[in-house]
Amino acid sequence: DAGVIQSPRHEVTEMGQEVTLRCKPISGHNSLFWYRQTMMRGLELLIYFNNNVPIDDSGMPEDRFSAKMPNASFSTLKIQPSEPRDSAVYFCASLGARWGLNSPLHFGNGTRLTVT
Amino acid sequence: KQEVTQIPAALSVPEGENLVLNCSFTDSAIYNLQWFRQDPGKGLTSLLLIQSSQREQTSGRLNASLDKSSGRSTLYIAASQPGDSATYLCALREYGNKLVFGAGTILRVKS
Repeated sequence: DAGVIQSPRHEVTEMGQEVTLRCKPISGHNSLFWYRQTMMRGLELLIYFNNNVPIDDSGMPEDRFSAKMPNASFSTLKIQPSEPRDSAVYFCASLGARWGLNSPLHFGNGTRLTVT
Repeated sequence: KQEVTQIPAALSVPEGENLVLNCSFTDSAIYNLQWFRQDPGKGLTSLLLIQSSQREQTSGRLNASLDKSSGRSTLYIAASQPGDSATYLCALREYGNKLVFGAGTILRVKS
């Protein structure tokens, strides 16, 4: 299995521009998570989906952030408009149901976003 | 609200030494606890997962323990190697599928 695939690996954009981050979870996994990592706040859960349905988006910082999961193999996290304080590494992770509640979480390699 | 603390924040040891990383949490109502490793510029790799009903898990030179009553977990690394240098994070899985992460311990093993 190729693991969780994120694109792009790096994104540099100017303030005010729209940014779209993409994620392909591991095939067969039914839960998908978006995390943000910064030096100041560590890893923060932004939103997670079960069976393509958003379950908890309480971590989404502002209305500028939105996430979709149109099917089981693809999700996007969009920031519009972007701001310099959005600069961080954004991780996608997926979780299977093989071991039920004790399935391990699998992370992608992240997208490093820099907003100038 | 669950709070997860990892001590120490950073650790530097000579190769071959045994070491212990600590993770403490405030709410024992958890499904499981997971230890991850993160290398620079990479995502997180799951090392060990301890179910709430278990006391420990072992994988190779790694041993993780869980004491829910005291709100603590330890990750023991035996005979450390330079390749073990990374950031180690613990995460607790709460009801509702959320994982709450600690800030991590940065480990450096010197050759």
